[in-house]
This record gives sequence, structure tokens and C-alpha cells, in this order.
Amino acid sequence: GENVEQHPSTLSVQEGDSAVIKCTYSDSASNYFPWYKQELGKRPQLIIDIRSNVGEKKDQRIAVTLNKTAKHFSLHITETQPEDSAVYFCAATLSYNTDKLIFGTGTRLQVFP
Amino acid sequence: EPEVTQTPSHQVTQMGQEVILRCVPISNHLYFYWYRQILGQKVEFLVSFYNNEISEKSEIFDDQFSVERPDGSNFTLKIRSTKLEDSAMYFCASRGDRGYNEQFFGPGTRLTVL
Repeated sequence: GENVEQHPSTLSVQEGDSAVIKCTYSDSASNYFPWYKQELGKRPQLIIDIRSNVGEKKDQRIAVTLNKTAKHFSLHITETQPEDSAVYFCAATLSYNTDKLIFGTGTRLQVFP
Repeated sequence: EPEVTQTPSHQVTQMGQEVILRCVPISNHLYFYWYRQILGQKVEFLVSFYNNEISEKSEIFDDQFSVERPDGSNFTLKIRSTKLEDSAMYFCASRGDRGYNEQFFGPGTRLTVL
């Protein structure tokens, strides 16, 4: 069925450390994988995305990797800062003929100074 | 930078009442969506809308729900007879043309059904 699994559900790191969040998806036809950051009471905001024809994408301290064979993708945040603290959601579009986003269950990231 | 806007920010209603949630998508966008997020849970897809008709809807989007684009700027979600379990944050999103994947989310409307 339509499913995106996300781990861990909570993650605590010291400022300056790296954080990694992993997601797996069920449909091999999935072709678009965005990551959203949601601060408390705010809208989800896209921080990075990747399409299925790319294996890795980087934007400053944030990177996303995609393993199509294993059907998983990961968010990497380096040199974490307290303002990175938020809930992060992965998402995927699950086949070529749909653009609805199926979201993971979220990871609450806390960065301690 | 253009943003999706939504009104009201918070709506309180009695069970059984009708509510209309309003959204103004980004002006040149063609694809529109409603999602909801029950407190503390993940974001769930409700419906997508393109070319004045529903493209896709989820199991959540039953006969009590409807969407409309009454004019060139607004996109509305109506819940005819609200239930307690409809209490959630409702997000509108919009997307540009076919080649552009990114969905931009509005700030949300918190719906509380008493």
C-alpha cells in the first residue's frame, strides 16, 4: 500500500554534530522525494528535494541521498544549530501518474547548545 | 516571495455545522491541494485539483467534503457536517506547471469541532 516509513521519531544532538533521518518507501515507481521542516504551529516548509534520476543533492549544510534499489532516502544535516530544531517530514510521490505527497511520520530533532 | 495564504487561521465550530476553509494559492500556480494534520501526527493528503476538477482524492475525502475554485484566486474546502474527528490543521498547497514538483504550503487553518 501507500506508505512512507520514517526513523527515528525523535533525535537529539549536540550543536555542531550531524543528524541523519531515514525514510523508506513502498512503490518503486516513486519519483519525487521532498523533505519538509515544520516548526511548532507553522506550515511545512520545503528544505530540499530530490528526483529519482539523481542519487544525491546538497544545499549548504543539508544533503539528501536516494537509493532507488533499496527504496530509501535520507536527510543529512551537518554542523547542526539550535535553529535546526523542528519536526522534519520526508514525503514521496508514489507513482508516475500522481502528484499527491505521502508523508512520513516525522522526526522531532532537538539540537542542544 | 509569493506565498499561499489561508483564512481563517483558527475556526471553532459545533459538531454538525458546515465550515468553509479558504485558500489563495500562488497566483500563477495551476495545481491545488488540501492536506490535513491531526495534532501530533503526520500530514495526510485529502484532495488535488486541476483544471477546475478533482484530480485525486483520498479515503478521508468522503461525501462530506467538497472543494471549489469559485473565482480566479480562491480555492475552498467545505465540510458539510463536521464531526469531532475533523478537528485538525488543514493546509492548502499549490504547485506551478507540470514540470515543477514543489508544493508550497499555506500557514494552515486550525479547525476545532466541539
